[in-house]
Amino acid sequence: DAGVIQSPRHEVTEMGQEVTLRCKPISGHDYLFWYRQTMMRGLELLIYFNNNVPIDDSGMPEDRFSAKMPNASFSTLKIQPSEPRDSAVYFCASSFIRTGELFFGEGSRLTVL
Amino acid sequence: LAKTTQPISMDSYEGQEVNITCSHNNIATNDYITWYQQFPSQGPRFIIQGYKTKVTNEVASLFIPADRKSSTLSLPRVSLSDTAVYYCLVGDSSGYALNFGKGTSLLVTP
Repeated sequence: DAGVIQSPRHEVTEMGQEVTLRCKPISGHDYLFWYRQTMMRGLELLIYFNNNVPIDDSGMPEDRFSAKMPNASFSTLKIQPSEPRDSAVYFCASSFIRTGELFFGEGSRLTVL
Repeated sequence: LAKTTQPISMDSYEGQEVNITCSHNNIATNDYITWYQQFPSQGPRFIIQGYKTKVTNEVASLFIPADRKSSTLSLPRVSLSDTAVYYCLVGDSSGYALNFGKGTSLLVTP
């Protein structure tokens, strides 16, 4: 398996633009997690899904953030409109069970100017 | 949820053994302890997981005392490539602490 695949790896956009980050989890994993990492706050959980259903989105900072998982092999994290304070590295991870080993993608580095 | 406390940073020389301790005073009976490692520009990677006593794998050892209020990740004979951030997580299936926080930044120098 190729592991968790994220795209794009880097994105630079201007304030107010829509940003869509994509994730393909490892085949067979039924949990998918979105994280955000900044120097100030460390690695924070934004939302996680089980069998494509959002279970806990309490970490989603604002209504500008939304996440979907239309099928077992694809998820998106959307920010609309984007703001400079959204600049961070966004990681997607998947696992076979909730408390099992999390497998992380290489992350998407977002810069909002 | 069990809250964890770990040092912000640690320094070590190559070849030394490094021990990183994590405090989790309110750990619950069903909770277990998991450690992750993160290199720059990469996502975290699972290192080791344990419930009590000692667990060892090819990368590290995890020591958990009888009261389980703390745990120690032990890295034998570190090399420069062990420079990374190490995260301690505690929880079970009903309340697994999925927030990694800031972890412990380990710097290994020659």
